[in-house]
Amino acid sequence: EIVLTQSPDTLSLSPGERATLSCRASQSVSSSYIAWYQQTPGQAPKLLIYGASSRATGIPGRFSGSGSGTDFTLTISRLEPEDFAVYSCQHYGSSSTFGQGTKVEI
Amino acid sequence: EVQLVESGGIVIQPGGSLRLTCETSGFIFDDYSMHWVRQPPGKGLEWISLLSWDGDDTTFADSVKGRFTISRDNSENSVFLQMNNLSTEDTAFYYCARDGVPLGYRYYFDSWGQGTLVTVSS
Repeated sequence: EIVLTQSPDTLSLSPGERATLSCRASQSVSSSYIAWYQQTPGQAPKLLIYGASSRATGIPGRFSGSGSGTDFTLTISRLEPEDFAVYSCQHYGSSSTFGQGTKVEI
Repeated sequence: EVQLVESGGIVIQPGGSLRLTCETSGFIFDDYSMHWVRQPPGKGLEWISLLSWDGDDTTFADSVKGRFTISRDNSENSVFLQMNNLSTEDTAFYYCARDGVPLGYRYYFDSWGQGTLVTVSS
């Protein structure tokens, strides 16, 4: 089973700053099968990125995904107040595993 | 607008059984595989079950295999999760989620419900 480890656990930033979140897989994975989700308190997760770099419908351009092999990154170019949330990466394809999440806080 | 609404979560004793329901609207339900994903309070996400769009394929996480079953009623645009022999480790928010690929499945989720809380406690 592939294990995803996200870092850091918590990222403290200010609105307008750039956020860089890391997701590392325990073995090489196809970049076609990495997704990122955003979750705010009390809400369901929302799909941001799939296929490592494709934005989901309606997701603003400040969110971007990249990476290959074992290392993947979610970048938020300029944080908006609504972006402070928990972000989880996921490996999918023939099953599904999630990382433990990174909290982006003010 | 795509909507998924879960129901059925309660406080239940260990060893009990429970059926969760997810009612959907706003899309062609017959064309989509559906999943259940759970999240213990304050913890990470765990995928637990898939039912394919055509009803031919079901898969389960090892943590629930043999105890949980999944089904769907296309006439009601609904998917169900039957949970048996519950333990305290099953305490979580349970979300239904739509697979991101129509007429197939890839195990990523492009729409989610708001979740329903199942608490297993004596």
